[in-house]
Amino acid sequence: DIQMTQSPSSLSASVGDTVTITCRASQRISSYLNWYQQKPGKAPKLLIYAVSSLQSGVPSRFSGGGSGTDFTLTISSLQLEDFATYYCQQSSSTPRTFGQGTKLEFK
Amino acid sequence: EVQLVESGGGLVKPGGSLRLSCAAFGSTVSNAWMTWVRQAPGKGLEWVGRIKSKTDGGTPDYAAPVKGRFTISRDESENTLYLQMNSLKTEDTAVYFCTTETKSFGYESGDPKSWYYFDYWGQGTLVTVSS
Repeated sequence: DIQMTQSPSSLSASVGDTVTITCRASQRISSYLNWYQQKPGKAPKLLIYAVSSLQSGVPSRFSGGGSGTDFTLTISSLQLEDFATYYCQQSSSTPRTFGQGTKLEFK
Repeated sequence: EVQLVESGGGLVKPGGSLRLSCAAFGSTVSNAWMTWVRQAPGKGLEWVGRIKSKTDGGTPDYAAPVKGRFTISRDESENTLYLQMNSLKTEDTAVYFCTTETKSFGYESGDPKSWYYFDYWGQGTLVTVSS
């Protein structure tokens, strides 16, 4: 199975900040990397697929990058509604696997 | 707009069984790759299993911790996905989400490629395994 490791596990930031979350795969996954946002008590929401393609309706302050085994999610000019937990997920092989999550907290 | 609605969660004793349902609206379960993802209390997301669309063979795949105990199926007439869970263990306690895994076609460096992602999710149903 492909292991996905996110860093950091938690992150404190303020409104207006720019933050970057990193996701590393245990083997090369080409561009089969997706990002989700989850708020407490809610289902995850797809933000970015195929490394850098923004899902419809997702604000452009979210961006993704990387290739091979190392990927990033960057949120520019943080808004109050962005404080949530973020997960990366690989779709290169089955079983699909997720990172352990990064909790973005208000400083 | 696709809507997925899970039901069937509850409290069950270790060794017991439970069947979860996921009713789909605005989409046909037989035409989609349908997946179950779970989340233990305070933990991250865990892929449980998936059933491919009929056109892609309709075969199910399962995560190692549930293989042999859980079965994914669908009823086309009800447009509903199911997760039959047998021999439940305390570590199966989680919120269970159903989701569609969409295949998106495109090109990368001039070559055709397909990408897969979970785009529609249900609200989740809580399964608690406890004596």
